[in-house]
Amino acid sequence: AQSVTQLGSHVSVSEGALVLLRCNYSSSVPPYLFWYVQYPNQGLQLLLKYTTGATLVKGINGFEAEFKKSETSFHLTKPSAHMSDAAEYFCAVSEGDYKLSFGAGTTVTVRA
Amino acid sequence: DAGVIQSPRHEVTEMGQEVTLRCKPISGHDYLFWYRQTMMRGLELLIYFNNNVPIDDSGMPEDRFSAKMPNASFSTLKIQPSEPRDSAVYFCASMGQSSNQPQHFGDGTRLSIL
Repeated sequence: AQSVTQLGSHVSVSEGALVLLRCNYSSSVPPYLFWYVQYPNQGLQLLLKYTTGATLVKGINGFEAEFKKSETSFHLTKPSAHMSDAAEYFCAVSEGDYKLSFGAGTTVTVRA
Repeated sequence: DAGVIQSPRHEVTEMGQEVTLRCKPISGHDYLFWYRQTMMRGLELLIYFNNNVPIDDSGMPEDRFSAKMPNASFSTLKIQPSEPRDSAVYFCASMGQSSNQPQHFGDGTRLSIL
């Protein structure tokens, strides 16, 4: 069965600084990988996904992630944090069976 | 386009009462998922449907929980009788036909059982 580990339950960054959220997965087959963002009192919104093809994936709001098979990682980055990036971020993996397994989430705080 | 619509957004009730959560998926989506989110256990898949048929209900915690999808535009998650440990945020999500498509989430129902 697939699983996801997100390193760091909380990340604090200064406005304008790099945002780096770490995600490692395990999967017995080539995975589909997703990053979602959750703002307070809202549902999860898709940031980006990797299914096949180019391993560097660009998403909404300036985020991108790179699929590294050798490291079983799918880390999320944004070059310059904005106050509006404060939220909780979830990495998820699917083995193509329509079921998603989510990581525990990382809460991002942005300091002015 | 309208997204996934859940109702109610908030529900507070006393233990022992029946609770019904509702979901309207995105039109044309073949798959519907029910999740539960808690601080302790994170996001858990409870059950999912394909073309209104339940495919996997292995995540349903116990017999007090039941879910139905009578047609392509409506699903319910029912808890009877409810208990305080059922307090959580319940999300509904829908997805198109292909397994590499993302799931689209509703805004959730925050359930408090007193």
